[in-house]
Amino acid sequence: KQEVTQIPAALSVPEGENLVLNCSFTDSAIYNLQWFRQDPGKGLTSLLLIQSSQREQTSGRLNASLDKSSGRSTLYIAASQPGDSATYLCAGGSTGTASKLTFGTGTRLQVTL
Amino acid sequence: GAGVSQSPSNKVTEKGKDVELRCDPISGHTALYWYRQSLGQGLEFLIYFQGNSAPDKSGLPSDRFSAERTGGSVSTLTIQRTQQEDSAVYLCASSPEAASADTQYFGPGTRLTVL
Repeated sequence: KQEVTQIPAALSVPEGENLVLNCSFTDSAIYNLQWFRQDPGKGLTSLLLIQSSQREQTSGRLNASLDKSSGRSTLYIAASQPGDSATYLCAGGSTGTASKLTFGTGTRLQVTL
Repeated sequence: GAGVSQSPSNKVTEKGKDVELRCDPISGHTALYWYRQSLGQGLEFLIYFQGNSAPDKSGLPSDRFSAERTGGSVSTLTIQRTQQEDSAVYLCASSPEAASADTQYFGPGTRLTVL
């Protein structure tokens, strides 16, 4: 059974800093990994999706990497802004059950002025 | 185009009552998912539908939970004889198909409170 863990649970950084959010998973037969952001009282917004055959994906100031052998993914946010404040969730789809995402508990990020 | 919509946005009910939660997926998406987000529990998968195939119900926590999808579009999640532990945000998502390559697009959720 896939288990996903995110560290840290919460993070506060000043505006402009680069930061890394960590996600680890137990089943290396992961089929894909997605990063989402969730704003208070809102649903999830997909940020990046990495297929098992890929090592990383980039979108604007965001870069996500996937290392299946170590069971880790990271989300790198460059030049953080107050608008980046949200909860960031990673979720993995395992082989055979690719459609059923297993979510981590999230990292609550606050970017201060 | 329009995203995934869910109704109601908030639902308060008394213990023992039945509730129905509705999800309208993105038009043309064949796959539809239900998740539950409980305080301190994170997001957990409940059920998914793919076209005309039998739904995968493996995540439903008890037989009080059921879901249907009519005409391959709108879905309803029904919780019978609600309990306080059912209080959570219920999120619906859809994707073009239930394949690994597809991003799941989420609705805003329904916050259920069972008194």
